[in-house]
Amino acid sequence: AQKITQTQPGMFVQEKEAVTLDCTYDTSDQSYGLFWYKQPSSGEMIFLIYQGSYDEQNATEGRYSLNFQKARKSANLVISASQLGDSAMYFCAMRERDTGFQKLVFGTGTRLLVSP
Amino acid sequence: KAGVTQTPRYLIKTRGQQVTLSCSPISGHRSVSWYQQTPGQGLQFLFEYFSETQRNKGNFPGRFSGRQFSNSRSEMNVSTLELGDSALYLCATSDSPSGNEQFFGPGTRLTVL
Repeated sequence: AQKITQTQPGMFVQEKEAVTLDCTYDTSDQSYGLFWYKQPSSGEMIFLIYQGSYDEQNATEGRYSLNFQKARKSANLVISASQLGDSAMYFCAMRERDTGFQKLVFGTGTRLLVSP
Repeated sequence: KAGVTQTPRYLIKTRGQQVTLSCSPISGHRSVSWYQQTPGQGLQFLFEYFSETQRNKGNFPGRFSGRQFSNSRSEMNVSTLELGDSALYLCATSDSPSGNEQFFGPGTRLTVL
């Protein structure tokens, strides 16, 4: 069965610093997709970044980049130049197959707090 | 472009009652998935719909059901509510089953007393 592990319940970072949120995954599928979502206190899940298992380049979206290490089954999110508005819960998720189904398996999340 | 809409945003019910939650996807999105989020179990997949067909179902009892209409709007129903059904119910929509971006709605927070 697919599984996502986020070992950091909470992370603290100062404004303008970079932070890495860890995510490891377990799957027997060869084709899969990895996602990161941000959930502010309002509850809405905000899509941040996607990485396909066959993508050779690490995904980047503005200040977000995904450090994808396939052999180690890790997909860490790097946020550069943290902002106060980045304070939220962050979830790593995996789609069981890269095409065909939208079911996401989520990790337990990491709460990020950005201080001035 | 309007985002994903979920109604109602908040709901209070008592045990034994039933509830219907609604999700209106982004215009052009035909794939809708539902998730339950609780402090104890985290985010868990409920169902996935595309073109009015349920394509995938999570490990939830039969009290949880859903459907999708021809305009892609989706509803989920929970019958015989239990205290443990108190949760944030999120729907996510995508342009297709293979779309790489799923956009979530603000959720419906259900409290069962």
